[in-house]
Amino acid sequence: DTEVTQTPKHLVMGMTNKKSLKCEQHMGHRAMYWYKQKAKKPPELMFVYSYEKLSINESVPSRFSPECPNSSLLNLHLHALQPEDSALYLCASSQDPSAVYTEAFFGQGTRLTVV
Amino acid sequence: AQTVTQSQPEMSVQEAETVTLSCTYDTSESDYYLFWYKQPPSRQMILVIRQEAYKQQNATENRFSVNFQKAAKSFSLKISDSQLGDAAMYFCAFINGGSQGNLIFGKGTKLSVKP
Repeated sequence: DTEVTQTPKHLVMGMTNKKSLKCEQHMGHRAMYWYKQKAKKPPELMFVYSYEKLSINESVPSRFSPECPNSSLLNLHLHALQPEDSALYLCASSQDPSAVYTEAFFGQGTRLTVV
Repeated sequence: AQTVTQSQPEMSVQEAETVTLSCTYDTSESDYYLFWYKQPPSRQMILVIRQEAYKQQNATENRFSVNFQKAAKSFSLKISDSQLGDAAMYFCAFINGGSQGNLIFGKGTKLSVKP
């Protein structure tokens, strides 16, 4: 199993809503990531979890709240988003943040639209 | 600052022909990894090929090969016998060996394959 599964695939939410994005992997990877990708742009790193602990927060606004309940799951909680937050949100995982870097496996992303 | 530059926003190739996508990067580190990722309309980022900086031999994966010029900080991707399924956005990416997974992406090259 070399999959990173993201749900939902599409999400439309109002600016006052609270929603969550979910990411799951069963490859035994100990590093998990959230990226944000605007149209026709490369992905931009938001958060890195290493052994279920938040290790990198790239100055992301607090309306985005990550959570890593266990080594297989990564959530991104959304609250009071703005229309400019509309983007593709990609989750990725890699084997071991302390070992020689191999590769990051990406999910198919959640297409988020904020109205 | 570490940067990745892809100077070709769009490229086009005839089916069965060969195309080369260019990528240059800038870093002061000696231990790093380079990747080419493919992102088709399905949105999932798929690893095409990777290269460790300490390896002099150019990486190959079936129809995909790289020309890694460490001194020039160049990492181009050659696609041989292009197929319609190769049409996608291609991102060159870089990561330091000691990094916790902060992939740095270029802006991407959109590849079209003509039948």
